[in-house]
Amino acid sequence: GQQVMQIPQYQHVQEGEDFTTYCNSSTTLSNIQWYKQRPGGHPVFLIQLVKSGEVKKQKRLTFQFGEAKKNSSLHITATQTTDVGTYFCAAVSGYSTLTFGKGTMLLVSP
Amino acid sequence: EAGVTQFPSHSVIEKGQTVTLRCDPISGHDNLYWYRRVMGKEIKFLLHFVKESKQDESGMPNNRFLAERTGGTYSTLKVQPAELEDSGVYFCASSPIRLSSYEQYFGPGTRLTVT
Repeated sequence: GQQVMQIPQYQHVQEGEDFTTYCNSSTTLSNIQWYKQRPGGHPVFLIQLVKSGEVKKQKRLTFQFGEAKKNSSLHITATQTTDVGTYFCAAVSGYSTLTFGKGTMLLVSP
Repeated sequence: EAGVTQFPSHSVIEKGQTVTLRCDPISGHDNLYWYRRVMGKEIKFLLHFVKESKQDESGMPNNRFLAERTGGTYSTLKVQPAELEDSGVYFCASSPIRLSSYEQYFGPGTRLTVT
């Protein structure tokens, strides 16, 4: 089945530092979604990328979809303590089934 | 608008017992999904309903798991008999039928512990 590799598994930064998490697939993806899960919470949809080379921004968050549609990244500029949580990428396949990466847990120290 | 709700929030049962998890999707959402996250691992797809029909159940681990969505509203996921490896957080998600977006709305999850 489809697999999505996500790195790093964990990152601890100081508030104000940048953060990036990467997703890679061996197969071409139709589209990719990003979710955030706060500690003790549930995944919350952030964004969906569909087009090759697409770049979308949400305030301090920048999402990219690779030209070959096999990789994606999420970059947070100047992290804040409210950014703490686990960030998941998820490939959409079949009839909207999501295949999740293992997630990157982000810890931000003040 | 009320979000996806799940019941119970936590369940602790002994190996061999039966547990039934319930999910109430957002009103009007025809798509309903079940996912599971085992400690330290990725969130894995279990199955997908469109209204009352099972669209895809390829992620169901084995025949100890039974999902239903009678009437196309709420769904139940029964585990019988439960095994230790069934422990984890079970998430339900729902989404409307749309052509342009597959955004899924997740419930708070049910944390299942099998001892």
